[in-house]
Amino acid sequence: DIQMTQSPSSLSASVGDRVTITCRASQSINTYLNWYQQRPGKAPKLLIYDASSLQSGVPSRFSGSGSGTDFTLTVSSLQPEDFATYYCQQGYTTPGFGQGTKLEIK
Amino acid sequence: QVQLVESGGGVVQPGRSLRLTCAASGFTFSSYPMHWVRQAPGKGLEWVALISHDGNKEYYADSVKGRFTISRDNSKNTLFLQMNSLKPEDTAVYYCARGNGFGYRGYGWGDYWGQGTLVTVSS
Repeated sequence: DIQMTQSPSSLSASVGDRVTITCRASQSINTYLNWYQQRPGKAPKLLIYDASSLQSGVPSRFSGSGSGTDFTLTVSSLQPEDFATYYCQQGYTTPGFGQGTKLEIK
Repeated sequence: QVQLVESGGGVVQPGRSLRLTCAASGFTFSSYPMHWVRQAPGKGLEWVALISHDGNKEYYADSVKGRFTISRDNSKNTLFLQMNSLKPEDTAVYYCARGNGFGYRGYGWGDYWGQGTLVTVSS
């Protein structure tokens, strides 16, 4: 099984900050990496697919990069609605998620 | 607009069975693979199962293999998850998600998700 490890597990930031979340795979997964946002009590929402492609309707302040084993999700200028938990998911084999990164207001 | 509505959750005793349903609308259901993903209370996301657009291929997480069965009825735009031999560790909110990218970008991703249905396994 491919293990997905996100860092940090939690992060405190302020509105307007630039933040980066990292996801590392235990083996190369090409660019088969996707990112989701989940607000409390809500379903996950797809943000980025195939490592760097922005899902339709997602604000351009979200971006993704990486290939192989190391990937990042960046939010260029945090908005109040961005405080949520973020998950990466590999699609190289049967899907698996990272443990999540909780983004909290400082 | 794409809409996915799960139903069938509830409280069930260990060892019993439950069938979840996901009603799809707003897209050509028969053209898309579908996933089930679950989330235990206060925990992260766990992928459960995937079915191809035509129902000919099924994939399962090791934790449910041999106990759960994913299926679909394309004539009724409906996805199912039959859960047998339920265990307390199966307690979770179960989401259905429309698949995309499957077959040409590995196993792909879930681009639209339902609101989930809660399954509680307890005596």
